[in-house]
Amino acid sequence: AQKVTQAQTEISVVEKEDVTLDCVYETRDTTYYLFWYKQPPSGELVFLIRRNSFDEQNEISGRYSWNFQKSTSSFNFTITASQVVDSAVYFCALSEPNAGGTSYGKLTFGQGTILTVHP
Amino acid sequence: NAGVTQTPKFQVLKTGQSMTLQCAQDMNHEYMSWYRQDPGMGLRLIHYSVGAGITDQGEVPNGYNVSRSTTEDFPLRLLSAAPSQTSVYFCASKINRGQETQYFGPGTRLLVL
Repeated sequence: AQKVTQAQTEISVVEKEDVTLDCVYETRDTTYYLFWYKQPPSGELVFLIRRNSFDEQNEISGRYSWNFQKSTSSFNFTITASQVVDSAVYFCALSEPNAGGTSYGKLTFGQGTILTVHP
Repeated sequence: NAGVTQTPKFQVLKTGQSMTLQCAQDMNHEYMSWYRQDPGMGLRLIHYSVGAGITDQGEVPNGYNVSRSTTEDFPLRLLSAAPSQTSVYFCASKINRGQETQYFGPGTRLLVL
């Protein structure tokens, strides 16, 4: 069975600090996708990034960057120069096929990391 | 596009009552799904549908029914609510049954007394 572990339950930083959110996953599939979602205090889930298992290039989007390492089964997320608006719960998720392998849609989520950025 | 919409936003039920959580999307997405979010457990898949007339169970289907009569709508039914079903429910959709990104609705907060 697939599993996603976000070992950091809560992180607290001061504005402008860099912060890295860890995500470790387990899967027996050779083809899979990894996702990060943000859940701000308002409660909705906001998609941040999707990465497939064959693409190990790191990605940068503004202050956000992602480091995917298949060798350690990790997909870590770094926020550079954090801001108060980054305060949210962040979820890492892994996509797997259904039992018959005919569809992909089940997301296995980690427990989430609560990030608080203080002014 | 309104994206994925869910109603109601918040609901209080008594044990044994029934209700339907509504989910609709206007993006012509084939794939729709329901998740529940509980503290410290992330989100878990309840049911999903790969198209109109086709539904299947996810990880935690007990106590919930679904149907998909149209592409746009995917309601989740609680036939006899239990306190263990107190949770936040999210509906999601994506284009088809492949590996595309799922987009989530705003959620429904349900309290069962």
